[in-house]
Amino acid sequence: DQQVKQNSPSLSVQEGRISILNCDYTNSMFDYFLWYKKYPAEGPTFLISISSIKDKNEDGRFTVFLNKSAKHLSLHIVPSQPGDSAVYFCAASAAGDYKLSFGAGTTVTVRA
Amino acid sequence: EPEVTQTPSHQVTQMGQEVILRCVPISNHLYFYWYRQILGQKVEFLVSFYNNEISEKSEIFDDQFSVERPDGSNFTLKIRSTKLEDSAMYFCASRGRQGTSNQPQHFGDGTRLSIL
Repeated sequence: DQQVKQNSPSLSVQEGRISILNCDYTNSMFDYFLWYKKYPAEGPTFLISISSIKDKNEDGRFTVFLNKSAKHLSLHIVPSQPGDSAVYFCAASAAGDYKLSFGAGTTVTVRA
Repeated sequence: EPEVTQTPSHQVTQMGQEVILRCVPISNHLYFYWYRQILGQKVEFLVSFYNNEISEKSEIFDDQFSVERPDGSNFTLKIRSTKLEDSAMYFCASRGRQGTSNQPQHFGDGTRLSIL
């Protein structure tokens, strides 16, 4: 399933700076997009989502941007903190089709 | 905060044996899911369950797999005759109310299934 792609397997960022994670999708029927964070030995934890009728959603330090024409979304984390070090998954679903399609994940390391 | 719980955290089983993975979804949720993640691969959808029946299943979810909600709280995944390639992390997820699909799924911490 290559419908959701995260092309950067890893990202290293200094504490206090911005982390930008990218995700591309191919299925034009996707209308709901989510970001999950995962620590080792734990399940994915929901972070933030966005509906296709919006282009931006913000929740505290996390902002998700959606560019439908480019089939691209991004997650911004500002400022980055050591506790943000984890694997971040992009996921998407289509209307009436509630299963999630996941990207491969990006491992974020926040350096002190 | 309510959470999805899964047991056991790790299951080791001989090939060909049956295994049951258990999940307790968030109590007022109506939609239930199983996903799996083989080591080094993506999280992939197995099955969704609503109103006491399967609403969708993937190609992976063949006749060896079944799901059940035996009571008001548990949601189980059974693999009848396990194969080596069933070794993976299995995640249960649940989602809330009826209507719009635009609600996040909440995941448990998973069961690591190791087939020997």
